[in-house]
Formats: sequence, structure tokens, C-alpha cells
Amino acid sequence: QVQLAQSGAEVKKPGSSVKVSCKTSEGIFSSSTITWVRQAPGQGLQWMGGIIPVVGTTNYAQKFQGAVTISADRSTNTAYLEVNSLRSEDTAIYYCARTSIKPGAPFDLWGQGTMVTVSS
Amino acid sequence: EILLTQSPATVSSSPGQGATLSCGASQSISASYVAWYQQKPGLAPRLVIYDTSSRATGIPDRFSGSGSGTDFTLTISRLEPEDFAVYYCQYYGTSSITFGQGTRLDIK
Repeated sequence: QVQLAQSGAEVKKPGSSVKVSCKTSEGIFSSSTITWVRQAPGQGLQWMGGIIPVVGTTNYAQKFQGAVTISADRSTNTAYLEVNSLRSEDTAIYYCARTSIKPGAPFDLWGQGTMVTVSS
Repeated sequence: EILLTQSPATVSSSPGQGATLSCGASQSISASYVAWYQQKPGLAPRLVIYDTSSRATGIPDRFSGSGSGTDFTLTISRLEPEDFAVYYCQYYGTSSITFGQGTRLDIK
């Protein structure tokens, strides 16, 4: 079964925002850090940041600090990634992934990815 | 920030043969924080190796990892058709996380 279920593809105008969701089970939600990774078309993986849902603590990669907001809703076991002021360069697949609450752990479970296309 | 450089960009091999993929770090890093991921077209990455040399759940023993300091290696022996994919190394330190740019493993 799908353990990290992401929302569907989005097409957005430049300058707008997008909010991508990642829904999981209560067991995973309460024992994990949910992290976000971006992959531009034909490119590699970029870590964006993460959140420990049980305490709400967030951590952002320097490149994405201020440009994205990561949040979580404990009532629905869902994590969110909001990307603001979208540009064409933000066209990418956005993945959520699970890692340990303890820092310094690999990403052992991934969502299926959400394609975000930014186009006028 | 730790930078990871993977080489070669593309490696070609044949089913039944082996392949060696390299990942170099810009400074010495702990082997406890190095992973390898496999990504097939249209799919999310999949954890293959963590802590430099530990296989993830369900990964066959033809996959092995090694390394220390600034040089890390993923070795795949007896290649199966499903092994041809892009592989990324990752450093998942306690304060920063980075990926290499990837190595494509092609069928010769």
C-alpha cells in the first residue's frame, strides 16, 4: 500500500504559490521527520527541508530558506510544502520522504512525487 | 556545505557483469552518514545502501557499499536487468544534507 501519498500534479502561473501535501499513517507521522526533495526535469535531487510533525520543528536548506514553508497537520497526518513566488525554474517533481526523528538518518520511504509546472 | 561529486556520469555494463560507482566528498565525512539511492524513470528514488555499507530492506546482496573519508563506492555485482537505473549518493549529516549529481548505469 502507499505509505506516503502525495497530492496530484499542479500547473501554476509565475508569481503564484503552490501547496503540495503528503499524507501518511499516524504511526509514521508520529515517529518520523518528513522531508522534501526537489527534482527538476532531467536533473538530480535537492534536499529542501523537513519537519518533525510531533513537535512542529522545521529545518530548511539554505537555498530554500524563505522561499518555501513546510508545515504539518497532526489531525490528518499530513505534511505540506508551500512554494511561494513561483518561477519557471521551480518546475519540478517534489517528493516527500520519511526519515528518523533523530538527525543523521537516510530517507527510507518516499512518496510518489508531485509534478509542479510553472508556466504562463 | 559538503559537496558530493559522482563519477563517472554514465557507466555502461552488461547483465551478469559488475559495475563500480564512485562518490567523492569535498571534505572528510563520517561513513555513518552516506547513502546510495536507485532511481528508475518515472519513479521515486529508493534507498539501496545506508551508513556506507548497510543494505536497505529488500536489497539483494549483489549490492555493496564501501568507503571512508572523502571516497565512497557502490559496487553492483552480477548485474540484473532491473539494476540499470540512475544512482545517487547522499550525505545526511546532522546539520546538512546533500546529494551527488547522479551516475547513470546503462546497459552495454
